[in-house]
Amino acid sequence: AQRVTQPEKLLSVFKGAPVELKCNYSYSGSPELFWYVQYSRQRLQLLLRHISRESIKGFTADLNKGETSFHLKKPFAQEEDSAMYYCALKRSSNTGKLIFGQGTTLQVKP
Amino acid sequence: GAVVSQHPSWVICKSGTSVKIECRSLDFQATTMFWYRQFPKQSLMLMATSNEGSKATYEQGVEKDKFLINHASLTLSTLTVTSAHPEDSSFYICSATTGGDLYSNQPQHFGDGTRLSIL
Repeated sequence: AQRVTQPEKLLSVFKGAPVELKCNYSYSGSPELFWYVQYSRQRLQLLLRHISRESIKGFTADLNKGETSFHLKKPFAQEEDSAMYYCALKRSSNTGKLIFGQGTTLQVKP
Repeated sequence: GAVVSQHPSWVICKSGTSVKIECRSLDFQATTMFWYRQFPKQSLMLMATSNEGSKATYEQGVEKDKFLINHASLTLSTLTVTSAHPEDSSFYICSATTGGDLYSNQPQHFGDGTRLSIL
């Protein structure tokens, strides 16, 4: 069965510190991985996807198939990064369905 | 662009009533819409996939007679919780994509969600 695990419910860091939000997945095929973010009182929005290999708002994430991970990283956290982050998996085979992790709340303290 | 509107944002009703939630794509045509359910402090759980003009595909464990989904146009899908009971209280979120379910490259755009409270 496909599963996405985000082991940390809450990650609290100080402004300027590096951030890594962990995401592990289990899927036997070739998945497509995403990070979604939900800022306070806003809707869920796409942050980045692994196939794009881009950096959004300073965040990057690399798909590691050996470790089945897709950790989200940012070298210097900003207060405006405080939000709920969800890792999500889409199966490769003809489906748009997303499987979400439990989410991690990132709290960036001044 | 790519705005999804969900209505109502919050509804409280008595046990036994039916509640309809609307999901609209405001500036694009949504071939596929997804309905999720989220319990407090838990993840989004996909309930069903709705393709315009066809029957919805429900995930395992989701009662299709309980959660009626209609996707009659390319900009509107509705979720009706029939004969709602307190255990149906939850946060319901829809998303829409321009790609059909077969075309997985199109991103999903999410609505703000509907908080349903059944007394």
